Amino acid sequence: EVQLVESGGGLVQPGRSLRLSCAASGFTFDDFAMHWVRQAPGKGLEWVSGISWNSGKIGYADSVKGRFTISRDNAKKSLYLQMNSLRPEDTALYYCAKSRVVRAAADYWGQGTLVTVSP
Amino acid sequence: QSALTQPPSASGSPGQSVTISCTGTSSDVGDYDYVSWYQQHPGKAPKLMIYEVTYRPSGVPDRFSGSKSGNTASLTVSGLQAEDEADYYCSSSAGSNKQVFGGGTKLTVL
Repeated sequence: EVQLVESGGGLVQPGRSLRLSCAASGFTFDDFAMHWVRQAPGKGLEWVSGISWNSGKIGYADSVKGRFTISRDNAKKSLYLQMNSLRPEDTALYYCAKSRVVRAAADYWGQGTLVTVSP
Repeated sequence: QSALTQPPSASGSPGQSVTISCTGTSSDVGDYDYVSWYQQHPGKAPKLMIYEVTYRPSGVPDRFSGSKSGNTASLTVSGLQAEDEADYYCSSSAGSNKQVFGGGTKLTVL
């Protein structure tokens, strides 16, 4: 059974940093691309970042480019999102998801980890 | 990188069909066949319903179908059932290893 478990969320002040993690199991992690997608409270989905199986292809939404960094450790079957210079508008539930390739649909999603950016 | 445009709401009676549109540009929907649709029930993670415009993942009822013409993709739900009431989001590849979502459509089964 595919499982994606996010962690690392919490309350953080504006301008500070936070690192999210996603632990994967139930599939061959290094065969798949991975993504972070977020959802602000009561709002729609927003794609944040994606990374190919070997980290050779990486993309970011304009809203986070230059502040967020996606990475993966295939040996640990883990995905990460380093979030710097956080803003109140980054407050959201952050989902980890897998896809066949970076441009393809996300076929499995985790349950999300909540990030709240507030003074 | 603007969000794709979806109607905020749609509705239909049980047994009827409803179609939700998703309008992008020639840089996303119009340029790639990587259009997908997701269903999200309140408090739950999104679920993939359609990928690459027309394909259904295993386990998704064939009442759900997708299509695309030019810069607009569509999701059709036939034979509406109460459990289809949810939020629906489209997504498209947008080049340069990016993806973009639509704003979401709340489907109500009357």
